[in-house]
Amino acid sequence: KQEVTQIPAALSVPEGENLVLNCSFTDSAIYNLQWFRQDPGKGLTSLLLIQSSQREQTSGRLNASLDKSSGRSTLYIAASQPGDSATYLCAVRRQGQNFVFGPGTRLSVLP
Amino acid sequence: DAGVIQSPRHEVTEMGQEVTLRCKPISGHDYLFWYRQTMMRGLELLIYFNNNVPIDDSGMPEDRFSAKMPNASFSTLKIQPSEPRDSAVYFCASSAGETQYFGPGTRLLVL
Repeated sequence: KQEVTQIPAALSVPEGENLVLNCSFTDSAIYNLQWFRQDPGKGLTSLLLIQSSQREQTSGRLNASLDKSSGRSTLYIAASQPGDSATYLCAVRRQGQNFVFGPGTRLSVLP
Repeated sequence: DAGVIQSPRHEVTEMGQEVTLRCKPISGHDYLFWYRQTMMRGLELLIYFNNNVPIDDSGMPEDRFSAKMPNASFSTLKIQPSEPRDSAVYFCASSAGETQYFGPGTRLLVL
């Protein structure tokens, strides 16, 4: 059974810092991996989707990498802003199966 | 498009009562997902539909839970009878490809 963990559980940084969020999964035979953002009291918003054949994806200040062999993904946020404060979840999927979500990392960017 | 619409946004009920949660997916999406989110268990998939047909309901916790999708623009998740341990945020999501679009959720409290 696929298990997804995220470290750290919570992170607080001053505005302007670059930061890395980590996601680990136990079964490396994944089809793709997705990073989501969840604001308090709201649903999830997809940020980046990485297919199993890819090593990274970029969108603006966000960069997600994937290392299937080690069962890891990282989400890099450059020049963090207070508006980046949210919970970030990663989710992995095997072909023909549904996403398994991690518990999330709660990020606070202090002005 | 207005995105995925869920109603009600908040529901407080007493143990033993029937609860019905509603979802309107994004027009044109052929997949619909129901998730439950709690602090203890994180985000869990309950059931998903493809073209209005239930495909996988293995995440439905008990027979007290049922879901229907009578047409492409409407789905319900029903709990009967409700119990305090059902208290959670219930999300509906829809997709036409790999990216899932989440609704704002229904926060359910069973007293």
